[in-house]
Amino acid sequence: NAGVMQNPRHLVRRRGQEARLRCSPMKGHSHVYWYRQLPEEGLKFMVYLQKENIIDESGMPKERFSAEFPKEGPSILRIQQVVRGDSAAYFCASSPRDSSNYGYTFGSGTRLTVV
Amino acid sequence: GQSLEQPSEVTAVEGAIVQINCTYQTSGFYGLSWYQQHDGGAPTFLSYNALDGLEETGRFSSFLSRSDSYGYLLLQELQMKDSASYFCAVRDASNGNKLVFGAGTILRVKS
Repeated sequence: NAGVMQNPRHLVRRRGQEARLRCSPMKGHSHVYWYRQLPEEGLKFMVYLQKENIIDESGMPKERFSAEFPKEGPSILRIQQVVRGDSAAYFCASSPRDSSNYGYTFGSGTRLTVV
Repeated sequence: GQSLEQPSEVTAVEGAIVQINCTYQTSGFYGLSWYQQHDGGAPTFLSYNALDGLEETGRFSSFLSRSDSYGYLLLQELQMKDSASYFCAVRDASNGNKLVFGAGTILRVKS
């Protein structure tokens, strides 16, 4: 049973380009969460999705960032016109349901570097 | 909103016991979780406490006091491989049930 799969592991983009980060949740998990982590800092919530629905996007910057979790395929976090400040590790997590006693399973993250 | 406080760094020797504290403020507390992260890798779930008391899982235990808005992670018989960052996290039922993380505690285990 594969865990949460994120790709790419490392992504380098020039300022102004687009970054697309992919996340396939664990089999049987229908809830996906995206977090951003700067070096030596905690995980900052960005967005919570279920299939075809954005449940909570309160942590998403209002501009340039978007997320989706289509009926088929992985969840995508899209960053348009990247800037140096977008450089960070982006982690995706999944859970089988919206229940407190189910720990999140995290992927290995995508490390975005904007040059 | 929510806020969590935990020490930024803790150092201990191999074989010792270490306690990492976490205090939190939320308006709709739903449970306290702990995660471990090695060198920026995938955070891994360690434990979850919804009720007061101690939960033990092998060398790791987690404690919660809801009245004090306080919890801790206890690591016994420390091993070098326990060197990692440890995050406490809360689910807040008043704010969409998402998991909110503390800034993390770097644990350094010395031989």
